[in-house]
Amino acid sequence: GENVEQHPSTLSVQEGDSAVIKCTYSDSASNYFPWYKQELGKRPQLIIDIRSNVGEKKDQRIAVTLNKTAKHFSLHITETQPEDSAVYFCAAGGAGSYQLTFGKGTKLSVIP
Amino acid sequence: DAGVTQSPTHLIKTRGQQVTLRCSPKSGHDTVSWYQQALGQGPQFIFQYYEEEERQRGNFPDRFSGHQFPNYSSELNVNALLLGDSALYLCASSFLSDIYGYTFGSGTRLTVV
Repeated sequence: GENVEQHPSTLSVQEGDSAVIKCTYSDSASNYFPWYKQELGKRPQLIIDIRSNVGEKKDQRIAVTLNKTAKHFSLHITETQPEDSAVYFCAAGGAGSYQLTFGKGTKLSVIP
Repeated sequence: DAGVTQSPTHLIKTRGQQVTLRCSPKSGHDTVSWYQQALGQGPQFIFQYYEEEERQRGNFPDRFSGHQFPNYSSELNVNALLLGDSALYLCASSFLSDIYGYTFGSGTRLTVV
């Protein structure tokens, strides 16, 4: 089955700096890659996603890039703000499966 | 418009007991998926239900079972509870036509003592 690795597990940045979180996946047939933000005690919320026919997608301060050949994708957050502090999860889906396979998460702390 | 509703929010059970968790999907959604999220980990897929049938199952033992009702609501049952079953159980609903377009519930925090 699919395996998703996520790095780093923790990340601290100064407010205004950029943050990058990276994920790799194992199944080359996966074709859907969402990113979720989970604040403490709350439900995961989708912040951005990308499909395998697209190399990059941007939504204001958030962008995701996908390298199908290398089987990795990354989340980029620019001009970070304290409210960006949360745990971020990457996931992979598709490949004839109904499930999403999640990474272990990255705890992002934005220091004011 | 109500999102995904899960009940109860918290639950404490003893090893060996059985538990039932409930999920009401977002209005209009017809597919329900269940995930287990252990502390400090990402969610792990348990199974997915559509039209009252289990469509796919993750790597979980038969102690984990589920059901979907005609109104699309769903239950997750866990028998013979183990300490390792302590986790946040998340329900996610979606449309069959957008299978990964999840709306997650806030989860049920299960503690097994």
